[in-house]
Amino acid sequence: DAGVIQSPRHEVTEMGQEVTLRCKPISGHNSLFWYRQTMMRGLELLIYFNNNVPIDDSGMPEDRFSAKMPNASFSTLKIQPSEPRDSAVYFCASTLGHLGIDTEAFFGQGTRLTVV
Amino acid sequence: AQSVTQLGSHVSVSEGALVLLRCNYSSSVPPYLFWYVQYPNQGLQLLLKYTTGATLVKGINGFEAEFKKSETSFHLTKPSAHMSDAAEYFCAVTGNTGGFKTIFGAGTRLFVKA
Repeated sequence: DAGVIQSPRHEVTEMGQEVTLRCKPISGHNSLFWYRQTMMRGLELLIYFNNNVPIDDSGMPEDRFSAKMPNASFSTLKIQPSEPRDSAVYFCASTLGHLGIDTEAFFGQGTRLTVV
Repeated sequence: AQSVTQLGSHVSVSEGALVLLRCNYSSSVPPYLFWYVQYPNQGLQLLLKYTTGATLVKGINGFEAEFKKSETSFHLTKPSAHMSDAAEYFCAVTGNTGGFKTIFGAGTRLFVKA
């Protein structure tokens, strides 16, 4: 398996523009997580899905952020409109999500977002 | 609810010295505990994990961690630091609270001096 695949790897956009980050989890994994990493706040859980259903979105900073998982192999994180304070590295991770040893999270390489 | 506290945002050791990175957790259910490592411009990689069974867990690159329930701790150690160990390390906890939500600590950046 190629692992968790995120695109794009880097995104530079102007303030006010819409940004869409994409993630393909590992095949067969049924939990997917979106994290945001900044120097100031560390690694924050934004939202996670189990079997394509959002379970906890309490980490989503505000209504400008939205996430979808239309099927088991694809998820998006959208920011509209984007602001400079959204600049961060956004990670997607997936897990098997079953009780036992399979709760290890596999991370993508991240998307470095810069909003100017 | 779960939470993780990593003591010390930065740790500096000399090459060959003991590495000790501290992690304390809280969890309302039996936890699964993890240490991940992040190298520059990379995603996080699993170092080791505790789920059930033996409380001393060995991971990759000579790292190990001991789960101490009475102390709610899961400290990461390595007997002898190598320059290549310089990275950021994250402790994480996962619990079955209606879904498997993994919460990460703030991270500890390890510096290794020659």
